[in-house]
Amino acid sequence: GQQVMQIPQYQHVQEGEDFTTYCNSSTTLSNIQWYKQRPGGHPVFLIQLVKSGEVKKQKRLTFQFGEAKKNSSLHITATQTTDVGTYFCAGCSGSARQLTFGSGTQLTVLP
Amino acid sequence: NAGVTQTPKFQVLKTGQSMTLQCAQDMNHEYMSWYRQDPGMGLRLIHYSVGAGITDQGEVPNGYNVSRSTTEDFPLRLLSAAPSQTSVYFCASSYSPENSPLHFGNGTRLTVT
Repeated sequence: GQQVMQIPQYQHVQEGEDFTTYCNSSTTLSNIQWYKQRPGGHPVFLIQLVKSGEVKKQKRLTFQFGEAKKNSSLHITATQTTDVGTYFCAGCSGSARQLTFGSGTQLTVLP
Repeated sequence: NAGVTQTPKFQVLKTGQSMTLQCAQDMNHEYMSWYRQDPGMGLRLIHYSVGAGITDQGEVPNGYNVSRSTTEDFPLRLLSAAPSQTSVYFCASSYSPENSPLHFGNGTRLTVT
């Protein structure tokens, strides 16, 4: 079945440093979504990428979808303490009408 | 707007007991799903439904049953609870898993002793 791998599992950064999490799928994806889960909370949708090579920005967050539609990344510039949480990618491929989540990257931002 | 409502928030069960986790959404979403979240394992799909009367298994369906008699409700039943089912459970809904965001409930923290 479809597998979505996400690295790193944990990342500690000093406030102001940049952060990147990577997502790789074993199959070609029709789309990829990114979610953020604050500690003790539930996942909240951030963005969806659909097109090959697509790049989208939300303030300090940059999302990329690979040319082959099998990988994606989320980059945060100049992290802030409000960025703390776990970031998940989730992909949907082919006829599978279900999202498969990566294992998430837990981001800690040290003040 | 209530969104996705899950009950209860917390539950403690003894091994062998059964219970139902409730999930309701008021957004007229066709797609609903149940995930469990365990440390280091991300969100794993238990069961999902693409519409009333239609359900299917996800990645980890064993020990769980679902039904979808209405568009709004998608309860998850634990038939005979086991310690391995200790987890946080999330219900989620969307118009379509292929191209619209999932809306999550606040989760149910289940402990099986």
